[in-house]
Parts: sequence; structure tokens; C-alpha cells
Amino acid sequence: NAGVTQTPKFRVLKTGQSMTLLCAQDMNHEYMYWYRQDPGMGLRLIHYSVGEGTTAKGEVPDGYNVSRLKKQNFLLGLESAAPSQTSVYFCASRTNGGDTQYFGPGTRLTVL
Amino acid sequence: GQQVMQIPQYQHVQEGEDFTTYCNSSTTLSNIQWYKQRPGGHPVFLIQLVKSGEVKKQKRLTFQFGEAKKNSSLHITATQTTDVGTYFCAGHTGNQFYFGTGTSLTVIP
Repeated sequence: NAGVTQTPKFRVLKTGQSMTLLCAQDMNHEYMYWYRQDPGMGLRLIHYSVGEGTTAKGEVPDGYNVSRLKKQNFLLGLESAAPSQTSVYFCASRTNGGDTQYFGPGTRLTVL
Repeated sequence: GQQVMQIPQYQHVQEGEDFTTYCNSSTTLSNIQWYKQRPGGHPVFLIQLVKSGEVKKQKRLTFQFGEAKKNSSLHITATQTTDVGTYFCAGHTGNQFYFGTGTSLTVIP
């Protein structure tokens, strides 16, 4: 039982490049979340999903897209990376009705 | 929009001293959660408070949820070096969580 995993762990992009971050959970959780964490700003919700095939915008969705084609995976895409997207990205999951969000180890992204 | 403020941003204490962090929401919350993040790590769930005025304890940690369900606090009694990290509150409204800015705790041995 690996819990929540994220790939890659680190990535450096140039402005305008695209990439996809993968989050996978093996706990059969319905809810999945993508957050970004910036110094002094806590975690901010980018997008979330309440089940397979569904996604919704969070607090800071601009510049990102997501997909939840399989229940265990939640993908975060950056179509045209900008330096303002330099951050640490965390994925989390929880059961429907559960309280605990389980976080992945994070992806550190730098956009030059 | 929804805002969750947390104070202080930083706190340095001598080992054995107490520590408190406060969380305030601009709107009424369904519930509030607390997380701890060690340096270089990911947030780890500590507890959830649901009821107005609720108080919960975990060993040396005491969590409170305000009567109006808009504020909360975490108090650590007699801090230890293992308490080092950043403590976040997260207000739950609808399907979203709104995290506070966190309080970074340093414990001086």
C-alpha cells in the first residue's frame, strides 16, 4: 500500500513548455486534490475531483488543466508554463465522508 | 472570497515552553482541520473539529473550534524538539479546503 504517489519529484521547465504531473493513489479514494504551496502562502487549491470523470476548479485554477480518467489517477497539466507557476505541487486524496486528506510527497517545479 | 488567516507566521520557543497558533476564517466553516508539515515534507493530518465550541486533545496538543465556527486554535504544552514544523489549519466549506498561511515552529533545545 503505497498511499499517494507523485511523479516526477523535481522538474525544471522553460517558459512556454508544457508538462503533466501525475498523482496516483491506491486507497480507492473518491476525492482527489491538487494544491500548490508557495512560501508564506500556505497551500492553495488548484483543482479537485469528487470522482472518476469529474473535475472542478479550486481557488487558483488559471493556467492549469486536470483530468481524472481513472479513479486512482489525477493528472495536472500545464499547457504553457510561466515563471509564476514555480512552486511545490501537492496531491491529496480522501474518501467520501472521510476527514483525513492524505498527501503525496510533492513535486518541486521550477519554471525559468 | 474565502480567506483563512493564521497567526503568528513564525514562533521560536525554548524547549519546554508552550506554543499556540490561531486561525481565523472570513466565513463560517463546516469543519476545520489541522495539519503538521515537517521541513521538506508533506502535510500530515492531525485532527478535525466539527462542532461549535469543540475541544479535542491529543497528548500535549489541544485543539479548539470557536463558537461561531470561524476560528480555531492549536496549543502545544511543554514543547519538544519533535514538535518542530509548520502547523496549518484548513477550513472546509463545500468540497473545498482553504488552508491558513501556517505557523512555523522552531524549538530551541
